[in-house]
Amino acid sequence: AQKITQTQPGMFVQEKEAVTLDCTYDTSDQSYGLFWYKQPSSGEMIFLIYQGSYDEQNATEGRYSLNFQKARKSANLVISASQLGDSAMYFCAMREPYSGNTPLVFGKGTRLSVIA
Amino acid sequence: DAMVIQNPRYQVTQFGKPVTLSCSQTLNHNVMYWYQQKSSQAPKLLFHYYDKDFNNEADTPDNFQSRRPNTSFCFLDIRSPGLGDAAMYLCATSGSPGTTNEKLFFGSGTQLSVL
Repeated sequence: AQKITQTQPGMFVQEKEAVTLDCTYDTSDQSYGLFWYKQPSSGEMIFLIYQGSYDEQNATEGRYSLNFQKARKSANLVISASQLGDSAMYFCAMREPYSGNTPLVFGKGTRLSVIA
Repeated sequence: DAMVIQNPRYQVTQFGKPVTLSCSQTLNHNVMYWYQQKSSQAPKLLFHYYDKDFNNEADTPDNFQSRRPNTSFCFLDIRSPGLGDAAMYLCATSGSPGTTNEKLFFGSGTQLSVL
């Protein structure tokens, strides 16, 4: 079964607008971590934001915020004021350390295109 | 300054000819990972080292081997590359697992082509 589901293969957003990238996850653990990474065309994976399962506040990092809805098992990434440089693949990932699943498991990704 | 360095950036090999990809890190992290990423797909974990302890994923083909001679270096050996092994290979590091918030630091990847 898919651990991480990203249902949007591709998204378009106008420059300066906000965009939400969806991510749902599947786990029976109480303790887990959720991550978002950006992968530009150069190939490097760039860490954006982290949310722990016990964190009560939604994580924020600059223009990135994570809309964490634990009961729904969703961890959507919100990018505010999109820039042309935000065009990239975005991956949602999860770690479940107490299941022994310490490496990150990734979703299939969403390709974001920012239009001028 | 690059903290996880992969060489080479692009590698071309021939069908069946052994190839080695290298990764080094300056972070002194004790965990190193190799992921395979095919075009338009998610990165897929091949194996990881926790210090010298090697952890192989169940579905990683025997054709893929790894070596970690010291904390800083890790190698991916593909003994007999097939056309299906053409992919981006990503090396990553992290601190000790067992916590939820240890993020992975990735290198720039090696794009492998098999002719």
